[in-house]
Amino acid sequence: GEDVEQSLFLSVREGDSSVINCTYTDSSSTYLYWYKQEPGAGLQLLTYIFSNMDMKQDQRLTVLLNKKDKHLSLRIADTQTGDSAIYFCAERDNYGQNFVFGPGTRLSVLP
Amino acid sequence: DAEITQSPRHKITETGRQVTLACHQTWNHNNMFWYRQDLGHGLRLIHYSYGVQDTNKGEVSDGYSVSRSNTEDLPLTLESAASSQTSVYFCASSPGGRETQYFGPGTRLLVL
Repeated sequence: GEDVEQSLFLSVREGDSSVINCTYTDSSSTYLYWYKQEPGAGLQLLTYIFSNMDMKQDQRLTVLLNKKDKHLSLRIADTQTGDSAIYFCAERDNYGQNFVFGPGTRLSVLP
Repeated sequence: DAEITQSPRHKITETGRQVTLACHQTWNHNNMFWYRQDLGHGLRLIHYSYGVQDTNKGEVSDGYSVSRSNTEDLPLTLESAASSQTSVYFCASSPGGRETQYFGPGTRLLVL
């Protein structure tokens, strides 16, 4: 079955770059997503990438996709304390309308 | 503005009781989903619906049921609450196609 894996915790210093990694198993995944969850809130879409892309950049966020290794990463440049949250990777195939989420990576930004 | 809401935001109940969590969206989205979030497991799909009168079981559907009598609402019912159902529950909706899912604020449920 489909499975999405992430490391559970990441700590970085304010101003450094953060890299959150994700691996997935479904080779038919067409869309891959990154969501952010702040304390006490629901998930908010940060960005997504289509499977025929290698990279997508949006301001401080860079998404890299290695389709051969089924590896997705999210890089946050100049990490701020407001970036502290849980980040979820999710995949969806082109045929289904359901998402499979990873366990989430809790990012802690230290002053 | 269109939105997705959940109620209640917090609920404490006892084992064996029936509990219903409400989810309401005003986007007119066809697709609606219920997830539970537990530490170390991320989000796990409980039930989902692709339209009125359509309901489907997800990964962890045992002990839960849903009904879809209109486009806007997908209530989640715990038939006989168990302590293992203590969790944070998220409802989501999407219009389908390439669109993402939009999440509600969550309901924190404690079963004693």
